[in-house]
Amino acid sequence: EDQVTQSPEALRLQEGESSSLNCSYTVSGLRGLFWYRQDPGKGPEFLFTLYSAGEEKEKERLKATLTKKESFLHITAPKPEDSATYLCAVQAFTGANSKLTFGKGITLSVRP
Amino acid sequence: EPEVTQTPSHQVTQMGQEVILRCVPISNHLYFYWYRQILGQKVEFLVSFYNNEISEKSEIFDDQFSVERPDGSNFTLKIRSTKLEDSAMYFCASSKQGGNTEAFFGQGTRLTVV
Repeated sequence: EDQVTQSPEALRLQEGESSSLNCSYTVSGLRGLFWYRQDPGKGPEFLFTLYSAGEEKEKERLKATLTKKESFLHITAPKPEDSATYLCAVQAFTGANSKLTFGKGITLSVRP
Repeated sequence: EPEVTQTPSHQVTQMGQEVILRCVPISNHLYFYWYRQILGQKVEFLVSFYNNEISEKSEIFDDQFSVERPDGSNFTLKIRSTKLEDSAMYFCASSKQGGNTEAFFGQGTRLTVV
């Protein structure tokens, strides 16, 4: 069974204080690892897809990296508007190849 | 920018009643999904739909649930006889392909069963 564990559960940062969010995964064969942002009461908003170990992607203050066992979402000099829950999900090479298995998410609060 | 649209945003229903949640996926997408999120818990996969049939479903998606694409634009989730434990946020999503492509989610329908 595919599993995704995210840590820490919650993270409070001061504006400008860089940090990393961790996503550990167990999957029979990784087809893709996805990062989403979710604001309260809203649907997940797509951020990144990573397909193979060593891959990195960047978008504004966010950078996602991937190893064979985990992914990190690095946040550089965060701003209060980066406050949200960040979800990690995996897609496996089994079944119909399309479903996502999500972690519980990491709730990030950035104080001004 | 194209987006997935869900209606209603909030639905309250009595236990045992049937509900239909509606979604309009992004127009050139071929794969459609329903996920749910119980308050404070993970987003959970329910079902995927491609070429007018279910391609995969989870253990949650039992005989009380059904999906349909009644026309070229809508995608619906029906719960035949709602239970208290069906109370959750239901998200519709769509993607261009099955694997290797990102799914785009709607804003969700909050279902409250009383």
